[in-house]
Amino acid sequence: GNSVTQMEGPVTLSEEAFLTINCTYTATGYPSLFWYVQYPGEGLQLLLKATKADDKGSNKGFEATYRKETTSFHLEKGSVQVSDSAVYFCALRGNTGNQFYFGTGTSLTVIP
Amino acid sequence: NAGVTQTPKFQVLKTGQSMTLQCAQDMNHNSMYWYRQDPGMGLRLIYYSASEGTTDKGEVPNGYNVSRLNKREFSLRLESAAPSQTSVYFCASRLQAASTGELFFGEGSRLTVL
Repeated sequence: GNSVTQMEGPVTLSEEAFLTINCTYTATGYPSLFWYVQYPGEGLQLLLKATKADDKGSNKGFEATYRKETTSFHLEKGSVQVSDSAVYFCALRGNTGNQFYFGTGTSLTVIP
Repeated sequence: NAGVTQTPKFQVLKTGQSMTLQCAQDMNHNSMYWYRQDPGMGLRLIYYSASEGTTDKGEVPNGYNVSRLNKREFSLRLESAAPSQTSVYFCASRLQAASTGELFFGEGSRLTVL
């Protein structure tokens, strides 16, 4: 079956620190992979996505590379800001069907 | 462009009461979803509707019913609320025809069952 495992939090970083949030997945075939971000009191919004192996998704300084050999899609940012404080969710959609599978979320707090 | 709109945003119920969460999208999406979000458990799919006229169970459908009223609207009903249904509920939609179409989420409905 399909599933997503992501690094547990919470994560606390100082401003301008390097961020990595690990995400690994189990899926049959070739899923599409996503990172969503949820700011306090809001719904989830797409941060970035990748649809095939070796694709790199990027947005707002965040990056993640679709690694089929390690079944991973780790989220990285070189220099975090206070405004990046949020909960980050890794997700996949299988190449058949309409269902999305989410990780449990990783809470990030960036302190000045 | 409103996107995905959910009502109500907050609701308190007593055990055994019923209620309906409403969801509407104005993006002409064909697939719609209901998730619940609980601490430490991420998002779990309750029901989804791949297209108008169809609905399917997700991971945690027990205690819920859904209606795909038309292409725009997808409601979630709790017939007899239980404290275990205290959660934040999210509606989402996507364009199924897009092979990598992502989900677009509403702002959530926080439900407390006493």
